[in-house]
Amino acid sequence: QVQLQESGPGLVKPSQTLSLTCTVSGGSIDTGFQWSWIRHHPGKGLEWIGHIYYTGSTYYNPSLKSRVTISVDTSKNQFFLEVSSVTAADTAVYFCARGSMVQGVVVWFDPWGQGTLVTVSS
Amino acid sequence: QSALTQPASVSGSPGQSITISCTGTSSDVGGYNFVSWYQQHAGKAPKLMIYDVSHRPSGVSNRFSGSKSGNTASLTISGLQAEDEADYYCSSYTSTNSHVVFGGGTKLTVL
Repeated sequence: QVQLQESGPGLVKPSQTLSLTCTVSGGSIDTGFQWSWIRHHPGKGLEWIGHIYYTGSTYYNPSLKSRVTISVDTSKNQFFLEVSSVTAADTAVYFCARGSMVQGVVVWFDPWGQGTLVTVSS
Repeated sequence: QSALTQPASVSGSPGQSITISCTGTSSDVGGYNFVSWYQQHAGKAPKLMIYDVSHRPSGVSNRFSGSKSGNTASLTISGLQAEDEADYYCSSYTSTNSHVVFGGGTKLTVL
């Protein structure tokens, strides 16, 4: 079955760019799903960051849109997250997930990766 | 503060039933049948348990059920088992900016 795995630095300095990779295995990324990033702040709820279709079409959470870029490399079956100008508020566990669409909108996520903790600190 | 409101914790004894609520607005939970529920054991990936309010993915126990009334969705777990102890999150499509919002999560303790 499809599995997702996040990778990337666990520590990023303030004002720098956070960069993560999600590798998809057990299935092709060029299918009718939206490949998504979601984060979990310590002690708080989950926050949807954005998603990308294999064609490169993206949709971002408006609260993060100015700092977020999601891209895809279908040849490597990977998609990527960049968050610029990070602060301590970006410290979170970052998950990648496969988003399913109904009536043109993403409505649930399955499966998810294990998540990776990214700490923003000098 | 999360967009959807869940109780911080619930508990129950083995064999009992518990219900976790998820309260939103008419722009999300109340307006669409796009509520989903996720189970997350400590250090593990979240797992989809319910989608479209009340549908169970293949492989999910029928002890898990979902429902909705007005702006509040609910996840009911019957016949509680020790393995059900986990954090549970609800989510919903929202017409506000057309994306997905999540609840703050509920910690289920099996006594």
